[in-house]
Amino acid sequence: EVQLVESGGGLVQPGRSLRLSCAASGFTFDDYAMHWVRQAPGKGLEWVSGISWNSGNIDYADSVKGRFTISRDNAKKSLSLQMNSLRAEDMALYYCAKDLYDILTGEGGMDVWGQGTTVTVSS
Amino acid sequence: EIVLTQSPATLSLSPGERATLSCRASQSVGSYLAWYQQKPGQAPRLLIYDASNRATGIPARFSGSGSGTDFTLTISSLEPEDFAVYYCQQRYNWPITFGQGTRLEIK
Repeated sequence: EVQLVESGGGLVQPGRSLRLSCAASGFTFDDYAMHWVRQAPGKGLEWVSGISWNSGNIDYADSVKGRFTISRDNAKKSLSLQMNSLRAEDMALYYCAKDLYDILTGEGGMDVWGQGTTVTVSS
Repeated sequence: EIVLTQSPATLSLSPGERATLSCRASQSVGSYLAWYQQKPGQAPRLLIYDASNRATGIPARFSGSGSGTDFTLTISSLEPEDFAVYYCQQRYNWPITFGQGTRLEIK
């Protein structure tokens, strides 16, 4: 069964850091680009970051650029998101998602999603 | 950043009816547009990619059309399980952006 399982969410104070992880199974992880997408409570979807199959191409939303770092470990079939200098507006459910393709390209979409991990930013 | 505007915000229809959802881009995105369905408490599900290609396992009643700035998701005959929120997404110009969503509710 193709599956993505996120972990690492929790309650964190503004300005602090948190690291999210996503464990993949049921598919050849290093054949595909991966993404993080978030959803604030009661709001729509916001793409956060994406990484190509070999980490050669990485991109971020302007709202997180310089604060968040995406990475992957193909040997461990794992995707991570290091989040620094967290703000109240970063509070959301964070989804890990698999791309249809191996690179960050205009074609395709995100065809497998995890159930998400919740990040709460509050003092 | 490309802005996607979805209309209507809410669509009220009955099972068996035809649903037409619109997504308009602030500039051309070619055919690099995807549609997702999200039900309460669930992760999004990819329905359509590259404007008109159905994702694996998606029923034939779902179809996508359009190019450039105007796109449509059509559900030919609504089933009870189709009532959900639908999002469009562009991948033509990074960063990837999503529309604000259309809520399809039972009339």
